[in-house]
Amino acid sequence: GAGVSQSPSNKVTEKGKDVELRCDPISGHTALYWYRQSLGQGLEFLIYFQGNSAPDKSGLPSDRFSAERTGGSVSTLTIQRTQQEDSAVYLCASSLGAASTPSTDTQYFGPGTRLTVL
Amino acid sequence: ILNVEQSPQSLHVQEGDSTNFTCSFPSSNFYALHWYRWETAKSPEALFVMTLNGDEKKKGRISATLNTKEGYSYLYIKGSQPEDSATYLCAFKGGGNKLTFGTGTQLKVEL
Repeated sequence: GAGVSQSPSNKVTEKGKDVELRCDPISGHTALYWYRQSLGQGLEFLIYFQGNSAPDKSGLPSDRFSAERTGGSVSTLTIQRTQQEDSAVYLCASSLGAASTPSTDTQYFGPGTRLTVL
Repeated sequence: ILNVEQSPQSLHVQEGDSTNFTCSFPSSNFYALHWYRWETAKSPEALFVMTLNGDEKKKGRISATLNTKEGYSYLYIKGSQPEDSATYLCAFKGGGNKLTFGTGTQLKVEL
């Protein structure tokens, strides 16, 4: 079946512009995560959605970052007034979520969006 | 701040060599330890989810062990092949929603 897809695969923007990154999770997965990997760093958690519950936004680095998940499926990560330190690979993952055992819930990742802020 | 560390940072081996690398993580509030394989320009691929102390998982030539009391996991690759070249990531799951990742071990298998 189809995996997690993300678009665009690459995005180059100028400092100060807003960007939107899109994630299409695996059908039937109720949990959706956003992570990013900056140069030389590990994958860093940004935000988590589970069904209709309020999202866990504890990883968002600043109020310039926001995310939505419409209809429990597609998610958009928006970065306003981009800065050079926002340059990173942004990865989305989905998992079965509430239907599975939380401790063994495998997260399936998309190929990522490489964001470059000039 | 949770500390998940992986070593070595990078590794070059010859085809046919066996190799292993280490992931260390907090020994308290442990729920699961995940291993992923990430090839350049592809999605990270889930290898194992390990939850029980003493757990050992195997997938083809790759296996992993888990020690939750001392907070470490080993990943082993037997008879490395060039297609095993990738970054291997471990990720710790505590009581919250997120995975905390290490920075990875970059493996290069040469002919």
